Amino acid sequence: DAGITQSPRHKVTETGTPVTLRCHQTENHRYMYWYRQDPGHGLRLIHYSYGVKDTDKGEVSDGYSVSRSKTEDFLLTLESATSSQTSVYFCAISARGENTEAFFGQGTRLTVV
Amino acid sequence: GNSVTQMEGPVTLSEEAFLTINCTYTATGYPSLFWYVQYPGEGLQLLLKATKADDKGSNKGFEATYRKETTSFHLEKGSVQVSDSAVYFCALSDRAGNTGKLIFGQGTTLQVKP
Repeated sequence: DAGITQSPRHKVTETGTPVTLRCHQTENHRYMYWYRQDPGHGLRLIHYSYGVKDTDKGEVSDGYSVSRSKTEDFLLTLESATSSQTSVYFCAISARGENTEAFFGQGTRLTVV
Repeated sequence: GNSVTQMEGPVTLSEEAFLTINCTYTATGYPSLFWYVQYPGEGLQLLLKATKADDKGSNKGFEATYRKETTSFHLEKGSVQVSDSAVYFCALSDRAGNTGKLIFGQGTTLQVKP
């Protein structure tokens, strides 16, 4: 199995509080991604990174920011959590981008109350 | 923009039945196509992929053929097992910029009964 660790695995937080989710990889892959999974929507891309300090927005980036200061770590921050951000968040990694397999973490279930 | 549409679920089959899960896509250019599977409580795993028209991806008895003329990538298996119960996602990879960004369908839940 690809070495991807997401933390925390479960979190309940209050509306308006900041939240940071962490993705850690041991594969030295260049590309890292954050997706959210919601019923009826499949997975949707929030942000991705193509190298240290190189990030870009995905389809549903509003309300989220990311940082990648080291190859192995990709952080997703909800600046001020809202109930619409209740979701399951998946981190994924890929060695070469196009045509190559993406490996997914086990997910973080976030509930905003 | 690019998009993926999967057949509505859930799909319930008896063991050894034939499985088809339909997937169609809209894309500019020639995307790569993937099927991912998600078992309960886990992340997604790549099941199979195809990178150009008429390619057939196959794995664990599952198959899908990249049909450019019908913009489809239907997943099939001749005889399903209880262990195939999972959520199946069709996805395409946007070739622009070689970023590996994936666009997913909504997922199809498969339940196989003994």
